[in-house]
Amino acid sequence: QSALTQPASVSGSPGQSITISCTGTSSDVGGYNYVSWYQQHPGKAPKLMIYDVSKRPSGVSNRFSGSKSGNTASLTISGLQAEDEADYYCTSYTSSSIYVFGTGTKVTVL
Amino acid sequence: EVQLVQSGAEVKKPGESLKISCKGSGYSFTTYWIGWVRQMPGKGLEWMGIIYPGDSDTRYSPSFPGQVTISADRSISTAYLQWSSLKASDTAMYYCARGVSGYFDLWGRGTLVTVSS
Repeated sequence: QSALTQPASVSGSPGQSITISCTGTSSDVGGYNYVSWYQQHPGKAPKLMIYDVSKRPSGVSNRFSGSKSGNTASLTISGLQAEDEADYYCTSYTSSSIYVFGTGTKVTVL
Repeated sequence: EVQLVQSGAEVKKPGESLKISCKGSGYSFTTYWIGWVRQMPGKGLEWMGIIYPGDSDTRYSPSFPGQVTISADRSISTAYLQWSSLKASDTAMYYCARGVSGYFDLWGRGTLVTVSS
C-alpha cells in the first residue's frame, strides 16, 4: 500500500487561501468517501480537521474545507492565520480494509 | 472525560521485547476501532494497524508484516502494541487513535519508544 501523494510544502500570507492536494488511486481515495485530514503541530498529537471528504468536526473552524474529484482529495484553508502553520496529513480507507496516510504537507504562513 | 491515555516513554535495547498500552475512558471501548500510528523522528505518520475491541478483528498494514502484534483487553478498555524483538529502527513516537467509520476522531498523546544499545 503506497502512501498517498501530497505536496511537501505549501505557503501563503495571512488572509490568503491555500489548497493541499492528496492523490491516491481508485483503490483508496477514488473508491471511498472516507478521506480525512489531520493537523499536527510540532510535538503534538494529530487533530482531526475534516472527515468523510468534506465534513467538519464540531469545534473546527469553518475556514477549513475539503473536497474530492476522482482520485484526488483537497483541503482548503481560507483566511490563513498564523496558528494554521503546521503539518497536514490526509488519510483514506482502502480496498485492503485498512488505512493509508498521505506523505504530509508543511504549511508555512509567510 | 472522553480520552485515550497512553503508557509512558520507554528506553530499550535491541532485541528486547516491549508492550505499550492505550486506555480508553469516557466512551464504550468495544464499539470503536483503535488504530496505531508510527511517527519516526522528523518523518510522517504511518498506519500500523487497527483493532476492533468488540470482536478483536485486527488488520495490519502491509508495511509492518509480522513486526508487531496488536491486541486489546475489553475488560480494562485497553489496547496494546507489542514487539518481540526491538530494532534501532523501531525508535519512534507511537500514537493510538479512536476510529469511527472511516476516520479517527480521538488521539492519545503518544508513547516515545527509544531503542539503543
